[in-house]
Amino acid sequence: GEDVEQSLFLSVREGDSSVINCTYTDSSSTYLYWYKQEPGAGLQLLTYIFSNMDMKQDQRLTVLLNKKDKHLSLRIADTQTGDSAIYFCALQGGSGGSYIPTFGRGTSLIVHP
Amino acid sequence: GAGVSQSPSNKVTEKGKDVELRCDPISGHTALYWYRQSLGQGLEFLIYFQGNSAPDKSGLPSDRFSAERTGGSVSTLTIQRTQQEDSAVYLCASSSFVSPEAFFGQGTRLTVV
Repeated sequence: GEDVEQSLFLSVREGDSSVINCTYTDSSSTYLYWYKQEPGAGLQLLTYIFSNMDMKQDQRLTVLLNKKDKHLSLRIADTQTGDSAIYFCALQGGSGGSYIPTFGRGTSLIVHP
Repeated sequence: GAGVSQSPSNKVTEKGKDVELRCDPISGHTALYWYRQSLGQGLEFLIYFQGNSAPDKSGLPSDRFSAERTGGSVSTLTIQRTQQEDSAVYLCASSSFVSPEAFFGQGTRLTVV
């Protein structure tokens, strides 16, 4: 099955850019997502990219997809303390056309003043 | 409804008791997913419902776990003879046929004592 890997922690200073990385094994995934989870809350869809795209920008968020290296990243510009949360990478629509999203373990982003 | 609704938000139960967790998906969404999130872990897929098709139960960890979806809408996840290792946050998500991104509820935090 699909394997999705993320580093567990990232610490940045307020105002800097944050880059959260994700690697995966199933190159046939069609949809690639980034979700945000704040303490005690469910997952909130932040943005997504189709596998036929290389980049997507949405305000402070930039998603980059490197299909050759099976690498997905989320860049948050001008990171704020309110961005502190767990960020999950998720893939869907891979081998066999599975529509069950597979999630990484999540990256805890800590933003300090 | 406006979003995915889960109840209860918190549940404390004694080891050996049965529990039922409820999920009310977004109106009109045909797909419904259950995931489990243990402390420090990613999202573990449990079960997937799509319309009137037979559910994908491949993620259920044991025969103590079962789920049903009545009328293509509300779903109930049942855990029989709960064990301490069942303690986790149980997350429900739904998606539409047209757009596959999953929208999550706030989760049910289950504590087995």
